Amino acid sequence: QVQLQQWGARLLKPSETLSLTCAVYGGSFSGYYWSWIRQPPGKGLEWIGEINDSGSTNYSPSLKSRVTISLDTSRNQFSLQMRSVTAADTAMYYCARYGGNDVWHFDSWGQGTLVTVSS
Amino acid sequence: DIVMTQTPLSLSVTPGQPASISCKSSQSLLHSDGKTYLFWYLQKPGQSPQRLIYQVFNRFSGVSDRFSGSGSGTDFTLKISRVEAEDVGVYYCMHSIQLPYTFGQGTKLEIK
Repeated sequence: QVQLQQWGARLLKPSETLSLTCAVYGGSFSGYYWSWIRQPPGKGLEWIGEINDSGSTNYSPSLKSRVTISLDTSRNQFSLQMRSVTAADTAMYYCARYGGNDVWHFDSWGQGTLVTVSS
Repeated sequence: DIVMTQTPLSLSVTPGQPASISCKSSQSLLHSDGKTYLFWYLQKPGQSPQRLIYQVFNRFSGVSDRFSGSGSGTDFTLKISRVEAEDVGVYYCMHSIQLPYTFGQGTKLEIK
């Protein structure tokens, strides 16, 4: 059973860079897309972007200019960087695995990291 | 981007009674492969989202048969035949027909 464990800085000031890492335990890193999804307080889920085991990335157009997702296959980890954060980036951030034998979907999620942006 | 619109945004249901959530997409989720890429997820309080339904009406393994999905094209419905206390949480519809994937605003289910 795959498990995703995430961590990163939880309190940022405006204009700083958000940095989160997600480690994948108990499963293969290959054959999946590894995603970041966020949820502002009291609001719905927003897909940020994804990376596959070859390093190919896709990003939400609304965040593309500020976001980089990278991976470290030697450590089975992938990371999110979001530059120039503002209060609007305050949210619970989740890492998630996108894949499946027959049905591709978000089948495993990290525990979430609440990131607060405040001066 | 495809906009997913859920109604209602909240509902309060007596245990044992049914519940229904609507999800409408701004464009058809029917792919040329014949499949419709509409999913339902449940986020229980304090937890990460968990999968419920895939491709409109198929339950993932382990999901109670009290949950059922229906619809086509742009209009979809999640129904709970008899609500139980463990069903409390926020329900999201989501599409995966194209990037970016987008979710509905969520429907919060409470028990009366």
